[in-house]
Amino acid sequence: GAGVSQSPSNKVTEKGKDVELRCDPISGHTALYWYRQRLGQGLEFLIYFQGNSAPDKSGLPSDRFSAERTGESVSTLTIQRTQQEDSAVYLCASSLALSAGGRTEAFFGQGTRLTVV
Amino acid sequence: GEDVEQSLFLSVREGDSSVINCTYTDSSSTYLYWYKQEPGAGLQLLTYIFSNMDMKQDQRLTVLLNKKDKHLSLRIADTQTGDSAIYFCADNDGGSQGNLIFGKGTKLSVKP
Repeated sequence: GAGVSQSPSNKVTEKGKDVELRCDPISGHTALYWYRQRLGQGLEFLIYFQGNSAPDKSGLPSDRFSAERTGESVSTLTIQRTQQEDSAVYLCASSLALSAGGRTEAFFGQGTRLTVV
Repeated sequence: GEDVEQSLFLSVREGDSSVINCTYTDSSSTYLYWYKQEPGAGLQLLTYIFSNMDMKQDQRLTVLLNKKDKHLSLRIADTQTGDSAIYFCADNDGGSQGNLIFGKGTKLSVKP
């Protein structure tokens, strides 16, 4: 597609259930990022992928959060046993291959708004 | 670890200049960026500056970089109500992987 696509755009789930969020990056973009944005707050880095590997998982808030990427394409962010504090917009971005010192333009999806009730 | 910090809110009157400030800690950053997030939308790259420059101008936008103090600013001249958005400062991890580190964003409110 022309841009980064995320699905679903909205998700309401009951506390304790698992959810899976999907990100389709721009074709050819080997770098992929996940961020969380709570209501009225800034971007919180979760994880990024270089190809299919995730060199930096330091932002994942707890072991209930996991992410994977396959085929240097689609990525899924899974939240197990959701809690109300997980309610936020989850943003995905992709960019061309990262290189130390290189210029990186990240293209963002519209986000998935997750509400845990 | 690296950090990028911004003030959270800025309010200006239409027609005035807005200055959004950002500080960062990574001395090896080679590019610094400003992203804009309009209400209900994703982030979009607004402008960027290479670290060997101290100023970049693009129409109503002026980016100033003080590399010694690790201070970046975005000036918007003749601010309009359509400029109301959240502005994010970001730098790339020039020392290793090159991933993007974002500040928490500055919410700019423009009053008519």
